[in-house]
Amino acid sequence: DAGVIQSPRHEVTEMGQEVTLRCKPISGHDYLFWYRQTMMRGLELLIYFNNNVPIDDSGMPEDRFSAKMPNASFSTLKIQPSEPRDSAVYFCASSLFRTNEKLFFGSGTQLSVL
Amino acid sequence: GQQLNQSPQSMFIQEGEDVSMNCTSSSIFNTWLWYKQDPGEGPVLLIALYKAGELTSNGRLTAQFGITRKDSFLNISASIPSDVGIYFCAGRQYGNKLVFGAGTILRVKS
Repeated sequence: DAGVIQSPRHEVTEMGQEVTLRCKPISGHDYLFWYRQTMMRGLELLIYFNNNVPIDDSGMPEDRFSAKMPNASFSTLKIQPSEPRDSAVYFCASSLFRTNEKLFFGSGTQLSVL
Repeated sequence: GQQLNQSPQSMFIQEGEDVSMNCTSSSIFNTWLWYKQDPGEGPVLLIALYKAGELTSNGRLTAQFGITRKDSFLNISASIPSDVGIYFCAGRQYGNKLVFGAGTILRVKS
């Protein structure tokens, strides 16, 4: 069974450009999470969805970040315009349970904004 | 906000040695989890703990939910080179989001 699939694995862009990260959760999972990992701040929860509906976006850093989940098998995280401080590894994770502890993470997208 | 303090931050060990790491908080948690992250990959769940005092094993890994509910411990017995990686603790309170520690980087000397 395929795990959580993220694309691209690596993204290098210039400041000011729009960046779109993609995620396909595990089939049947009804929760989807976007995390950001940096050396300074560790793993931070940005937003999570339940049944395609955003439940908590309090971790989204600012209005430049937006996330959508148009259906149960696809989600995007968009940064527009991107800034160098957005450079990080972005993980998507999915889970079956409301308690969300048993997260299944994708391999991440390494984003570099020059 | 809630914070989890992981210790040690990093460690070098000799292959075959036992490893211990811990996670503490000033807040009470009702779920503790341990994840491992290999280089270039996302974290993978190792062990989940749901009751104070609970001791759970997964192969050479053993984790404990502290009696005070403010800490958790992870032990790895007879370490091998593939144990290299970052170990994260995570805690959750009722109805709240999962909080991750900063991680313990494990390096093994072969």
